[in-house]
Amino acid sequence: GENVEQHPSTLSVQEGDSAVIKCTYSDSASNYFPWYKQELGKRPQLIIDIRSNVGEKKDQRIAVTLNKTAKHFSLHITETQPEDSAVYFCAASKGGSYIPTFGRGTSLIVHP
Amino acid sequence: NAGVMQNPRHLVRRRGQEARLRCSPMKGHSHVYWYRQLPEEGLKFMVYLQKENIIDESGMPKERFSAEFPKEGPSILRIQQVVRGDSAAYFCASSPSRTSGGSNNEQFFGPGTRLTVL
Repeated sequence: GENVEQHPSTLSVQEGDSAVIKCTYSDSASNYFPWYKQELGKRPQLIIDIRSNVGEKKDQRIAVTLNKTAKHFSLHITETQPEDSAVYFCAASKGGSYIPTFGRGTSLIVHP
Repeated sequence: NAGVMQNPRHLVRRRGQEARLRCSPMKGHSHVYWYRQLPEEGLKFMVYLQKENIIDESGMPKERFSAEFPKEGPSILRIQQVVRGDSAAYFCASSPSRTSGGSNNEQFFGPGTRLTVL
């Protein structure tokens, strides 16, 4: 089955800095890669996703890149703000199955 | 659209009791997924259901756990004879019907049920 590795497990940055979270996956058939943000005690919420037919997608301060050859994808957050502090999960799934495999999460702390 | 609903939000059980967790998917969604999240860990897939059918239960423990999604009413995750190790947050997610067109794989999560076993 699919295996998703996520690094780092904890990331501490100063407000205004950039943050990068990286994930690798094992199944080359995976073609959908969502990123979820989970604030403390709340539900995971989709913040951005990318499909295997594109290499990069951007939404304001958030961007995701995908390297299918190397089987890795990354989340980039620019100009971080304290409200970006949360746990971020990457995931990978195949088109025929809606069941994503999640990474273990990255706890992002943005210091004011 | 009320989103994915789960109840109860918090559930306390003593060892050996039964826990029933309920999930109502978003309107128009016919796919339901259950995940377990242990403290400071990721989301672990448990079971994937459509109306009246279990599609994939590869992540579900073989004993004490069961799930259903009846034709009418919410999906239910049932844990019999709970043990302390069952303490976790249980999240339900839903996604649109595959037959509705498009290839939207996005899952929408409910607020979770936090189960504490004393």
